[in-house]
Amino acid sequence: NAGVTQTPKFRILKIGQSMTLQCTQDMNHNYMYWYRQDPGMGLKLIYYSVGAGITDKGEVPNGYNVSRSTTEDFPLRLELAAPSQTSVYFCASSSGGGGVADTQYFGPGTRLTVL
Amino acid sequence: QKEVEQDPGPLSVPEGAIVSLNCTYSNSAFQYFMWYRQYSRKGPELLMYTYSSGNKEDGRFTAQVDKSSKYISLFIRDSQPSDSATYLCALNTGGFKTIFGAGTRLFVKA
Repeated sequence: NAGVTQTPKFRILKIGQSMTLQCTQDMNHNYMYWYRQDPGMGLKLIYYSVGAGITDKGEVPNGYNVSRSTTEDFPLRLELAAPSQTSVYFCASSSGGGGVADTQYFGPGTRLTVL
Repeated sequence: QKEVEQDPGPLSVPEGAIVSLNCTYSNSAFQYFMWYRQYSRKGPELLMYTYSSGNKEDGRFTAQVDKSSKYISLFIRDSQPSDSATYLCALNTGGFKTIFGAGTRLFVKA
């Protein structure tokens, strides 16, 4: 199993550009998450999904959009990139059973710089 | 008040030292307590978990939960340079949302 994969690994965007961060998991997990991690700030939840076709906002959703058309894929869309979106983005998935059954498995991250 | 507080460090210790990493939390509904380890430029990975109060040991690692004080700890015995990483506490009420601490950066010097 590859687990959670993310592409691209690195990206530099100009202000105002758009891009999609890809995330795929092969563990048949129902729950998927997008986080951003800024230095010293921990993980902030952007969006999450409890199954195909169902998504909801997390703590910091402004400037982002998501979709979930399949169990495996959960892309994150950045529209009109701003310097404040410079961060490391992690995708994660879990079985969603709650508690320790909800152990999240993380991808390797995408480092995004907006100039 | 943040739901979870964790000192970001960095914490620097010599090889072989005992390391203590801690988090405090405010929501008494948290029942599941986890520690994730994150190596530089990698995603976090689950290291240990405990349910409710008490201790759990796994090799050189011990996780401790004190629900009365809303305080959780991770102890690393005989620390090794390979333990150098960021350690994030994570708490869950039993639902699917997990709250993460900011992470403590640990450096173990050879």
